[in-house]
Amino acid sequence: EDQVTQSPEALRLQEGESSSLNCSYTVSGLRGLFWYRQDPGKGPEFLFTLYSAGEEKEKERLKATLTKKESFLHITAPKPEDSATYLCAVQGYGGATNKLIFGTGTLLAVQP
Amino acid sequence: EAEVAQSPRYKITEKSQAVAFWCDPISGHATLYWYRQILGQGPELLVQFQDESVVDDSQLPKDRFSAERLKGVDSTLKIQPAELGDSAMYLCASSARDRGSYEQYFGPGTRLTVT
Repeated sequence: EDQVTQSPEALRLQEGESSSLNCSYTVSGLRGLFWYRQDPGKGPEFLFTLYSAGEEKEKERLKATLTKKESFLHITAPKPEDSATYLCAVQGYGGATNKLIFGTGTLLAVQP
Repeated sequence: EAEVAQSPRYKITEKSQAVAFWCDPISGHATLYWYRQILGQGPELLVQFQDESVVDDSQLPKDRFSAERLKGVDSTLKIQPAELGDSAMYLCASSARDRGSYEQYFGPGTRLTVT
């Protein structure tokens, strides 16, 4: 069964203090791994898709990397506006569905 | 920038009442999804449509939930009767191709509270 585990559950950083969020996954065949940002009371906002081990993508202060078992979301010199819940999801091969299997997220708080 | 539209944004209903949510996907997106997100958890798929056809509704509680996408554009999710455990965020998402570009774009969600 496809499964996603995110750690830590919550992370508090000082502004400018870089860190990484972890997403461990098990999937029968990985079609894609997705990172989303979710602000309170809002829908998830798409950030990145990673398709194969070794792939990296960047957007502003965020960089996502992928191995065969996990993905990392690196946050460099975060700002208070980066505070949000970051969700990781996988999509596997097999069947007609494109459903995403989500982790429970990492709640990031960046203090000024 | 194109967005997924959902309404209402908030809904409070009493248990045993009927409730309906509406979603308008990004123009041209053939695939539409309804997810449910309980507070503190990740979204879970309820139903996936490809055009007007249901592709996956294995996690939809069919005794009380129904979903339709009659013309292959906008969609309605209905709950009848609502139960206390249905309180959650209901999210609609869409994607451009069935098996090609897999990114799913989410709407703002409908926060349902059942009292």
